[in-house]
Amino acid sequence: NAGVTQTPKFRVLKTGQSMTLLCAQDMNHEYMYWYRQDPGMGLRLIHYSVGEGTTAKGEVPDGYNVSRLKKQNFLLGLESAAPSQTSVYFCASSYSQGNTGELFFGEGSRLTVL
Amino acid sequence: AQSVTQLDSQVPVFEEAPVELRCNYSSSVSVYLFWYVQYPNQGLQLLLKYLSGSTLVKGINGFEAEFNKSQTSFHLRKPSVHISDTAEYFCAVSDVKGTYKYIFGTGTRLKVLA
Repeated sequence: NAGVTQTPKFRVLKTGQSMTLLCAQDMNHEYMYWYRQDPGMGLRLIHYSVGEGTTAKGEVPDGYNVSRLKKQNFLLGLESAAPSQTSVYFCASSYSQGNTGELFFGEGSRLTVL
Repeated sequence: AQSVTQLDSQVPVFEEAPVELRCNYSSSVSVYLFWYVQYPNQGLQLLLKYLSGSTLVKGINGFEAEFNKSQTSFHLRKPSVHISDTAEYFCAVSDVKGTYKYIFGTGTRLKVLA
C-alpha cells in the first residue's frame, strides 16, 4: 500500500546543475501537486496538475518545470539549480473534484543546492 | 485569492492540558477548510476538514475545530494533549469554485511537555 512515493529522498546539487524529482501515486488520483516547504513559510504551491497531460502554475513556479505524461506520475524538474531552491519538496495527490478531498502527501525530498 | 494566517509559530503546553491552535483566513469566495499534521521527517496527513453543515468538526486523535464565518477563523482544539501530539500543524483552505489550489498557513509547532 505505497500511496505517494517520492524519489530521491535526499539530493545535494551544485549551483547550475539540473535534476528531476519523481512523484508516483498508486491511488488513481486525478490531481497532483508539488509544494516546497521552507522554515517559517509553510507549504507553497509550485505547480499542479488536474489530469494526465495537463499542468498549471502555482504560487512559486519560477525555476521549475513539470510534466504529467502518465496519470500516476508527476515530475518536477530544476533546469539550473540555485541556492534559493534549497528546500524540502512534497508531492501530493487528491481524488476529488472541487477541492473537497483530502491531499495525500509523500514523505518529502530534501534538496540542498551548494 | 485566499490567504491563511497562523499567528502562533510555536505553542508549548504541558501534557494533559488543553490546547488551541489558531487559524484565520481571508477569501473573497466561500472556502473549504482543513487541518493537517506533520510529524518529524514525514509528510502531512489530514486531521479534519470543514466542507459544510455543522460548524464543529471532529477529527482524528481527539482533535476538533470550529468554523466561525463572521470571524473567518477555524481554530483547532484538543481538551487534553499527549506527548505524541508533538508535531507541526498546518491550516489550509481551498475555494469552492474548484481552482484546485490548496493554500497553507505557515504552521504551528506544538510541543507537549512532560
